[in-house]
Amino acid sequence: SQELEQSPQSLIVQEGKNLTINCTSSKTLYGLYWYKQKYGEGLIFLMMLQKGGEEKSHEKITAKLDEKKQQSSLHITASQPSHAGIYLCGADRTPLETSGSRLTFGEGTQLTVNP
Amino acid sequence: DGGITQSPKYLFRKEGQNVTLSCEQNLNHDAMYWYRQDPGQGLRLIYYSQIVNDFQKGDIAEGYSVSREKKESFPLTVTSAQKNPTAFYLCASSPPRMPGGTQYFGPGTRLLVL
Repeated sequence: SQELEQSPQSLIVQEGKNLTINCTSSKTLYGLYWYKQKYGEGLIFLMMLQKGGEEKSHEKITAKLDEKKQQSSLHITASQPSHAGIYLCGADRTPLETSGSRLTFGEGTQLTVNP
Repeated sequence: DGGITQSPKYLFRKEGQNVTLSCEQNLNHDAMYWYRQDPGQGLRLIYYSQIVNDFQKGDIAEGYSVSREKKESFPLTVTSAQKNPTAFYLCASSPPRMPGGTQYFGPGTRLLVL
């Protein structure tokens, strides 16, 4: 979706290197979700950010949402082959009083980690 | 185990044929969704349902139909009107909105046209 842009489209890194994936929205978000997908499989939820300036970490993956809630970054420290896959950001533009969440997704970043 | 199941894993459609993709969840979620994913692209929303017996069109609903007769089930029919159905189809469900809530995804169905 042009409303949500991810960069880079693909990334090849050497094992042990750090990397960052960016997700930029043209509109303010109610929530920003990060998912990981192996080819031909479903999406695995990584993290969700709601508040401006929020930062969350899980193992070696850190996600941040900027103060204006229009840009998020996903940072992987000391990458491993197990981190390889497609990373997708999803933006929630559904008003908070609505049941369920309607997400718009970026095109994804294909990450390859070479041993 | 709680989760979302999709069947079949692979589905072949002949020209002019309607096919139905199954999605079942035992997470007791109210909301369910269908997405389409094309190679090298993100997910696009086809239909979503926030409650039983109610559903809304997403961004690319043309050529598709859904039903939501039970809370656990949200089948998607790809009709003959969908001229380019070859894609990976993902079903998801979510609880009511809450801080930290998210959509949970099934393993997907790959649809191919013969």
